[in-house]
Amino acid sequence: QKEVEQDPGPLSVPEGAIVSLNCTYSNSAFQYFMWYRQYSRKGPELLMYTYSSGNKEDGRFTAQVDKSSKYISLFIRDSQPSDSATYLCALGANAGGTSYGKLTFGQGTILTVHP
Amino acid sequence: GAVVSQHPSRVICKSGTSVKIECRSLDFQATTMFWYRQFPKQSLMLMATSNEGSKATYEQGVEKDKFLINHASLTLSTLTVTSAHPEDSSFYICSAQGTRGTGELFFGEGSRLTVL
Repeated sequence: QKEVEQDPGPLSVPEGAIVSLNCTYSNSAFQYFMWYRQYSRKGPELLMYTYSSGNKEDGRFTAQVDKSSKYISLFIRDSQPSDSATYLCALGANAGGTSYGKLTFGQGTILTVHP
Repeated sequence: GAVVSQHPSRVICKSGTSVKIECRSLDFQATTMFWYRQFPKQSLMLMATSNEGSKATYEQGVEKDKFLINHASLTLSTLTVTSAHPEDSSFYICSAQGTRGTGELFFGEGSRLTVL
């Protein structure tokens, strides 16, 4: 079993739709959770960062973490064609020292928002 | 967010040559940088953790003599692919840890290496 499982997609939605992207994990040591957006042939761009259960909202994006179920989600409201990209969940565990930042990534979900 | 610059963005080289990729944190000091490799339609694979002033820590299966990492300053880490072969062709991405020290990572734009 992989430490982090992400719905692979691909996901295709019409403009304006609400998008739900999900990851599950097995290691309860993960303490902080991130979502990255990666456009083709570009480096990942940090979208959301959270370290507690619950919801965190930033504009059209909402990150949801449920530590008891080991489940995280990213919701995109009013999706736009410019949101078309690969979305990666990333999880980190605090083991001290240089383990900060050593992330475990999901496989990525390819999202296409069509006009 | 913080800015991480990576150079070159694309490089083509002949088999047997060495290639150096630079990663710079432009507006913050990064004591720790990470190097990833990404194959098409796959996720990022961590290659090594680079700490300023000390030897890099390599992930299992990554040849440290082939992928030389140097982190000489708080804003610069380099990855040198030595004696490159076609199977080394890939997308290499660096990242730098944010100043909050809580694991938030900022990524460079990536470098696409093609070995002929």
